[in-house]
Amino acid sequence: SQTIHQWPATLVQPVGSPLSLECTVEGTSNPNLYWYRQAAGRGLQLLFYSVGIGQISSEVPQNLSASRPQDRQFILSSKKLLLSDSGFYLCAWSRPGQPQHFGDGTRLSIL
Amino acid sequence: KNQVEQSPQSLIILEGKNCTLQCNYTVSPFSNLRWYKQDTGRGPVSLTIMTFSENTKSNGRYTATLDADTKQSSLHITASQLSDSASYICVVSATYKYIFGTGTRLKVLA
Repeated sequence: SQTIHQWPATLVQPVGSPLSLECTVEGTSNPNLYWYRQAAGRGLQLLFYSVGIGQISSEVPQNLSASRPQDRQFILSSKKLLLSDSGFYLCAWSRPGQPQHFGDGTRLSIL
Repeated sequence: KNQVEQSPQSLIILEGKNCTLQCNYTVSPFSNLRWYKQDTGRGPVSLTIMTFSENTKSNGRYTATLDADTKQSSLHITASQLSDSASYICVVSATYKYIFGTGTRLKVLA
């Protein structure tokens, strides 16, 4: 069966520090991968999606970047975090036309 | 503009009661509509998925309906349980795009 792992579960970082969140999928190959941010009381906002290794599409201009160094690995990064980067970050995978499967998320707090 | 609107924003019901959550969308081209349940601090989990030709789909005590003409969907929860307390999110997809509603926060009280 397929599983998705996301870590860390929680993270507290100072403003201006770098960020690296990792997401890996097991049990499937060539999945579509997604990074979302969910602000309190708001819907999920798509940040990046990838349909293959090295293929990254950015949905909104921001302070973050994404990379897909391997087929089932998706990384969300920042060189310098802003206060506004605080939120709940979710990674997801899917097959075209199929439901997305989400990780358990990373709660990021910027101090 | 592709949008998904859900109502109500929040809902409180007593255990054992039924409830219905609404989702209206303006998404084109329409591919499918999904309902997710998201427990606090966790990732969303898929409940149902419906394509254009499907009017209703059930998953245990959850029944989703879809009216593609009026672009409306509902999620009906029967005989609610305390564990149903969560956010319910309607998601409409168009090719690689997934448009999320802001969710309905349901609280079931004993």
